[in-house]
Amino acid sequence: DTAVSQTPKYLVTQMGNDKSIKCEQNLGHDTMYWYKQDSKKFLKIMFSYNNKELIINETVPNRFSPKSPDKAHLNLHINSLELGDSAVYFCASSQVEFLEQYFGPGTRLTVT
Amino acid sequence: SQQGEEDPQALSIQEGENATMNCSYKTSINNLQWYRQNSGRGLVHLILIRSNEREKHSGRLRVTLDTSKKSSSLLITASRAADTASYFCATDSWGKLQFGAGTQVVVTP
Repeated sequence: DTAVSQTPKYLVTQMGNDKSIKCEQNLGHDTMYWYKQDSKKFLKIMFSYNNKELIINETVPNRFSPKSPDKAHLNLHINSLELGDSAVYFCASSQVEFLEQYFGPGTRLTVT
Repeated sequence: SQQGEEDPQALSIQEGENATMNCSYKTSINNLQWYRQNSGRGLVHLILIRSNEREKHSGRLRVTLDTSKKSSSLLITASRAADTASYFCATDSWGKLQFGAGTQVVVTP
């Protein structure tokens, strides 16, 4: 069974569109995260949710909105997509905030 | 700017050799973690070292931490082709988590 899963794995869309990426973890963790990894492999934390409450928003444009319907799910919705949003987005979870995170397989977003 | 910066950016070795990579950071930390990322996959947690620890081992991995120099090293002993991956350090500074850009390690048979 996959610990942290993301869908879709690949997402190709045009500028201006709105898209969502879904994430689910079956580890019973209290904290979930979204990361963006750019073409140079630099990984930057975007959001962190602890038990359905947002605890970090690292200067991410408000076009990005995380939604957590329950502590096992953290979805990422992106409005008005821009070329610069092209990247790989990773969901992760951990039992203790920031420690020993389990990462999903990633979603490669390409904006044309 | 990045908190953790790995050195070297890339490392190519033969199977059986040891691989050493370093991570330097700028501010004081609670702990430092090392992660591995295989091509096209998510990151996998390898080892965590707390700020009051100087060395930790896990299998073929050895991590050191020198808080006076604000640096950490990851040593992989007796490397295998399966160790080919990118390795990232991540620093936790009182609620601020930052990853470095990674060291790309290639182990050739």
